[in-house]
Amino acid sequence: AQTVTQSQPEMSVQEAETVTLSCTYDTSESDYYLFWYKQPPSRQMILVIRQEAYKQQNATENRFSVNFQKAAKSFSLKISDSQLGDAAMYFCAYYGGATNKLIFGTGTLLAVQP
Amino acid sequence: DAGITQSPRHKVTETGTPVTLRCHQTENHRYMYWYRQDPGHGLRLIHYSYGVKDTDKGEVSDGYSVSRSKTEDFLLTLESATSSQTSVYFCAIRSGRESRETQYFGPGTRLLVL
Repeated sequence: AQTVTQSQPEMSVQEAETVTLSCTYDTSESDYYLFWYKQPPSRQMILVIRQEAYKQQNATENRFSVNFQKAAKSFSLKISDSQLGDAAMYFCAYYGGATNKLIFGTGTLLAVQP
Repeated sequence: DAGITQSPRHKVTETGTPVTLRCHQTENHRYMYWYRQDPGHGLRLIHYSYGVKDTDKGEVSDGYSVSRSKTEDFLLTLESATSSQTSVYFCAIRSGRESRETQYFGPGTRLLVL
């Protein structure tokens, strides 16, 4: 069965600094997708970034980028120039073509210090 | 915004009573999902639907049933609510566009079972 592990329950970063959130996953599938979702205090789940496993190039969305290491089954999220509005719970998620289901990690709570 | 609404947004009920949560979407998406979110578990799939009257179980389906009589509505029913079903419930749709494996979430329903 596929699993997603986020080993950092909480992280903290200074405003304007860079922070990296870690995620590892386990799968035997070759066709899959990886996601980072942000959940601010409003509880809304917001898609931050997605990565197709067949693409070697790391995805980027403005200040957010990923480091996708397929062989190591690692998918970390880098937030550059951190802002107060980045404070939230961040979830890593896996979607497999065979399982047709989205599997979430347990989340990392990010605090941004002014 | 994927045009997803959930009702009610908050509900308090007593053990043993039936509860129905509604998810409504306006963009004619085929796939709809119900998740629950609990501390330490991330989001876990309860049930999902791949068309009108077509549904399947997720990893935590015990105690829940679903129905989908119209494309736009996906109902989650707790036949006899228990305190272990106190949680935040999220509905999601799967995009039908080029990023068809990507899920977008509703605002959530907070349910408290006393």
